Amino acid sequence: AQSVTQLDSHVSVSEGTPVLLRCNYSSSYSPSLFWYVQHPNKGLQLLLKYTSAATLVKGINGFEAEFKKSETSFHLTKPSAHMSDAAEYFCVVRGNTDKLIFGTGTRLQVFP
Amino acid sequence: NAGVMQNPRHLVRRRGQEARLRCSPMKGHSHVYWYRQLPEEGLKFMVYLQKENIIDESGMPKERFSAEFPKEGPSILRIQQVVRGDSAAYFCASSPRGGRERGSYNEQFFGPGTRLTVL
Repeated sequence: AQSVTQLDSHVSVSEGTPVLLRCNYSSSYSPSLFWYVQHPNKGLQLLLKYTSAATLVKGINGFEAEFKKSETSFHLTKPSAHMSDAAEYFCVVRGNTDKLIFGTGTRLQVFP
Repeated sequence: NAGVMQNPRHLVRRRGQEARLRCSPMKGHSHVYWYRQLPEEGLKFMVYLQKENIIDESGMPKERFSAEFPKEGPSILRIQQVVRGDSAAYFCASSPRGGRERGSYNEQFFGPGTRLTVL
């Protein structure tokens, strides 16, 4: 069975500093992994996806993630945080029949 | 091209009433997924439908919940005899086809959600 674990429920950074949101996955086969962002009272937006091509995946708004099979990790990073990045971030793995399996989320706060 | 539409955005029901949540997928999309987000939790898969077919309902509660996606019209998630524990945000997502078709992943586009409150 597939699952993801987000290691931090809250992350706080100062504007202009790097962002690291951690995610570990469990999968019995080569996984498809995603990061989604949810702004308050909004729907979800896909940031980036890994589907067994390049292990370093670039997404929108300057975010990127690296798939590391040896560590079963798919951490999300951004070199410099903006105030507009404050939101809830979900690490997601695709399950059988294409349903998405979500982590519990990491709330990112960005301080001026 | 309008995105995934969900209505109503907010729905208040008293215990024992019925709730009907509607989802209109993006134009050209024939696959619909429903997810539920309980307060302070991630989204949990409920059901996956294709036009007139239920593909996977492994996340649906065994009683009171049902879903359909008719040939014409929106997908409907129906909750009968609601209880306080049904209070949550319900999200619908659509994709043009299943992810395993043609060997590639098809992104699921999410709607804004319906926030159900049961009094």
